[in-house]
Amino acid sequence: QSVLTQPPSVSAAPGQQVTISCSGSNSNIGSKYVSWYQQLPGTAPKLLIYEDNKRPSGIPDRFSGSKSGTSASLGITGLQTGDEADYFCGTWDTSLRAFVFGTGTKVTVL
Amino acid sequence: QLQLQESGPGLVKPSETLSLTCTVSGGSISSYNHYWAWIRQPPGEGVEWIGSVYYNGDTYYKPSLKNRVTISVDTSRNQFSLKLNSVSAADTAVYYCARYRAIWDYSDIWGQGTLVTVSS
Repeated sequence: QSVLTQPPSVSAAPGQQVTISCSGSNSNIGSKYVSWYQQLPGTAPKLLIYEDNKRPSGIPDRFSGSKSGTSASLGITGLQTGDEADYFCGTWDTSLRAFVFGTGTKVTVL
Repeated sequence: QLQLQESGPGLVKPSETLSLTCTVSGGSISSYNHYWAWIRQPPGEGVEWIGSVYYNGDTYYKPSLKNRVTISVDTSRNQFSLKLNSVSAADTAVYYCARYRAIWDYSDIWGQGTLVTVSS
């Protein structure tokens, strides 16, 4: 059972935007950086956002991250069919002394 | 650029030990402040961090797996390894190796993953 909770799925039409939430606690999101990963079907996860809101080189600015208190969010604007994937948040938990991932959210482009 | 590649048996019998190796190429496993991790994903489920190792041998494990897991590093071969004891069908998953920028930070490079099935 994950300590980080995400909605199982979100969907929107092409060109629209979606926001994926990641809810945790003071021992993880509330005190450590959050990262986000995109997993396209049949492939390994790929880093999308690190340290709450930074994008690695090559990640378009349609993807953005934010954090407030014990919750974090990933935003995707200008939705494209190629964005259909599973998205996971992740962070270190100071109580568990372990890295924890969110439950994952499937993004569907209608 | 740095790449990771998992290797090991794709089929393990129940109660036996799962053993995988991750080979690091294009860079050194001894690089400062980088941790090396094993992560798994059961079919159709989310991802689960198993544990991480530093080049000096320091390890961190997921508490619920700690009694069955050993992660070790071989700097001479630029490899790190996973051993999971007493496996059951619940351990069937795609196993990934990955690099972390710090133990508490993000994973920036992942291997392609290898499917390990536990079955008699």
